[in-house]
Formats: sequence, C-alpha cells, structure tokens
Amino acid sequence: DAGVIQSPRHEVTEMGQEVTLRCKPISGHDYLFWYRQTMMRGLELLIYFNNNVPIDDSGMPEDRFSAKMPNASFSTLKIQPSEPRDSAVYFCASSLSSSYNEQFFGPGTRLTVL
Amino acid sequence: AQSVTQPDIHITVSEGASLELRCNYSYGATPYLFWYVQSPGQGLQLLLKYFSGDTLVQGIKGFEAEFKRSQSSFNLRKPSVHWSDAAEYFCAVGAGTGGSYIPTFGRGTSLIVHP
Repeated sequence: DAGVIQSPRHEVTEMGQEVTLRCKPISGHDYLFWYRQTMMRGLELLIYFNNNVPIDDSGMPEDRFSAKMPNASFSTLKIQPSEPRDSAVYFCASSLSSSYNEQFFGPGTRLTVL
Repeated sequence: AQSVTQPDIHITVSEGASLELRCNYSYGATPYLFWYVQSPGQGLQLLLKYFSGDTLVQGIKGFEAEFKRSQSSFNLRKPSVHWSDAAEYFCAVGAGTGGSYIPTFGRGTSLIVHP
C-alpha cells in the first residue's frame, strides 16, 4: 500500500484566497483525521470522520474551515478565505477501527499564507 | 478525558549515549499507549504501542518503552542513540473500552543528537 497520500505537499497563497488540501487514506481504513501542526500549538485535531461521516469537528478553528469526505478514498480540507495565521503543516491520518487507535499519517501539506 | 504530558520540550544527548524520553498520561482505565516519531519534513511514524500484556514493549529502530501503571508513565528508551534518531517524538494515549476512540497526543519532545 502507498500509505496516506496528501496533496499538495507545499502551498503558498495570498491572504483571502481559497485553499483546498486533499487526502487519500489507506484503502480499507474507516477513520480519517485532519490535524494541524504549529510551533505554538503543537499537533491539533481539527476533525475526524468514520465511514465518511464527520463525527467531531469541534477542533475546527472557525467557519472559514470546512472538510468533506465524499467517499472512502478521498477527503478535502478547505480554508476560505485564508489568513496568515492559518500557516501551518496540515496532516491527514487514517486508521482501522479494529486496530486500537493506531493512526497512519500522511507526509503533510505545508501551507504558507502571505 | 485522557491527557498526555511530555515534560521535556528538548533533550540533547551525545551519539552513542543512552536515551530516555518521559511520558505521563491521565486516564481512568487501562490506556492504549503509543510513541510516534516525526523526522524533519515528514509525517508521524509509529515506533511502538502498548495495549496489554508485557509492560516492556519493543519497537522499531531499537526503541523500547515500559508501561508503569503505578506511575502513569510510558517512557521511551534507547540504549545507544544514533545521529539519525534526531527528530520529534510524540507520546499518545488512546482510550480503551467505554471512552473516546480518539488518541490524544502530547506536545512532543525534540531530540538533538551531538556527534
């Protein structure tokens, strides 16, 4: 298996622009997680899905953030409009509900908002 | 709810020296415990995990960790550190039955290795 795939790996955009981050989980995994990592706040869970259904989005910082999972093999995290404080590394992770919470992480998307 | 504390933000060791990274957790029942490693510019990779049984668990890259229920700790150890071990290390605790499925991560410990 190729592991969790994220795209793009790097994104540089200007304030006010829409940003879409993409994730392909490991085939067969039924949980998908979006995290944000910054120096100041560490690793923060933004939202997670189970069987394509959003379960908990309490970590989403603002209404500017939205996430979707239209099918078992694809998810997006969208920021609209983007702001400089959104600059961070965004990770997607997936897991099997039967594997005792072990998560497999993608390589991350480094987002820079100018 | 569970919580994790990694009291050391940075640890500096010399290559070849032994290493111990501390992790303390808070959870009312038997936890599932993990250590992940993040190399620069990469995602997190699982080093080892504890679910039950032998409290000393072996992981990849020569790492081991010991679960001590009485101390609510799950410290990571390595007898001899290599320069390639320089990375960020995260401890995580996942709830067992009856709790939230989602693991909670600590803030991480940055390991610096001197030649």
